[in-house]
Amino acid sequence: NAGVTQTPKFQVLKTGQSMTLQCAQDMNHNSMYWYRQDPGMGLRLIYYSASEGTTDKGEVPNGYNVSRLNKREFSLRLESAAPSQTSVYFCASSVWGQIINEQFFGPGTRLTVL
Amino acid sequence: AQSVTQLGSHVSVSEGALVLLRCNYSSSVPPYLFWYVQYPNQGLQLLLKYTTGATLVKGINGFEAEFKKSETSFHLTKPSAHMSDAAEYFCALNNDMRFGAGTRLTVKP
Repeated sequence: NAGVTQTPKFQVLKTGQSMTLQCAQDMNHNSMYWYRQDPGMGLRLIYYSASEGTTDKGEVPNGYNVSRLNKREFSLRLESAAPSQTSVYFCASSVWGQIINEQFFGPGTRLTVL
Repeated sequence: AQSVTQLGSHVSVSEGALVLLRCNYSSSVPPYLFWYVQYPNQGLQLLLKYTTGATLVKGINGFEAEFKKSETSFHLTKPSAHMSDAAEYFCALNNDMRFGAGTRLTVKP
């Protein structure tokens, strides 16, 4: 049982390049999330998917798009990377997006945009 | 507006000393409060959570937290710090998936 997996672990991009961060979970969870973590700011929600087929914006969605490919997979795309998107990105999942449920986090993707 | 504030970005204690990490919240609805721990180069793991019921919540690794509505606080404590407790700790208001800025705990031998 791998839990939540993320690829790649590290990535360096040049300004304007695009890339997709992949996330998969094997816990049969319905809800999935993307966060970014920046020093002194904690985690901020980018997008979430309450269930397969739905996606919603979080606190900081600008510059990102997401796809809930199926129940297991939730990808995050940067269409035109900017230095302000240098961050550590975490994917998480929960049984349902109800507020009593804990989230299970992946190991993160460290992204640098030059 | 919903918010979470963690007082102190960095806390340092000696091994065996009391650990106290502070979290205050603002919420217009009954809050659901969580504490997560992050070890270096890892994702977050749940320590404990308060949803409803008992206001003193016990978690893993000897940690506990008390929900105080009158003080809008949910401080995390552990009676005796261990070297393995060194990590970053995040308080979260789960109602809208909002996290505090984090507190890095250092444990000195």
